[in-house]
Amino acid sequence: GIQVEQSPPDLILQEGANSTLRCNFSDSVNNLQWFHQNPWGQLINLFYIPSGTKQNGRLSATTVATERYSLLYISSSQTTDSGVYFCAVEQSFQKLVFGTGTRLLVSP
Amino acid sequence: DTGVSQDPRHKITKRGQNVTFRCDPISEHNRLYWYRQTLGQGPEFLTYFQNEAQLEKSRLLSDRFSAERPKGSFSTLEIQRTEQGDSAMYLCASNTQGYEQYFGPGTRLTVT
Repeated sequence: GIQVEQSPPDLILQEGANSTLRCNFSDSVNNLQWFHQNPWGQLINLFYIPSGTKQNGRLSATTVATERYSLLYISSSQTTDSGVYFCAVEQSFQKLVFGTGTRLLVSP
Repeated sequence: DTGVSQDPRHKITKRGQNVTFRCDPISEHNRLYWYRQTLGQGPEFLTYFQNEAQLEKSRLLSDRFSAERPKGSFSTLEIQRTEQGDSAMYLCASNTQGYEQYFGPGTRLTVT
């Protein structure tokens, strides 16, 4: 099956810093989503981005489907950005396959 | 705008007991998914429905697990004869085919 790898696995930032999270996938996909999982376990949708670039406030994402990777940019990080970030890919409009996650800690 | 809801949010049970979880999807979504997440891992797919039809089941879904979506609306996931290895967060998601999936808050199961 398709493999989804995220880097870095862990990231510690000072409040106000910028960061880039990467997601590599091993096969072509129809869709790609980025999620933020809060401390209570809720998965919050960030981006639905099978290709191209999208921005939402301090967050933006870029997917280069031909090269099989996606990037999530977080600018001016805040403590509330802490948590685990997952990318997940979908083939043939079926189930999501999740990556390994990036655990982010933003300190004040 | 109501999202995906799950009930209960937490369940503690003794090994060998049966448990049932419920998921109510976003009303206009015809697809419903179940995932399981263990500590430190990403969610893993268990099964999904399109309307009332169960279209795919993961190898993770042993014979002790059964899922239903009888009228194409809410779904139930039952685990029979629970084992300690079943302890996990059970997540439900819904969408319309080809669009993003939205997740519920999850049911955290602890088997003692």
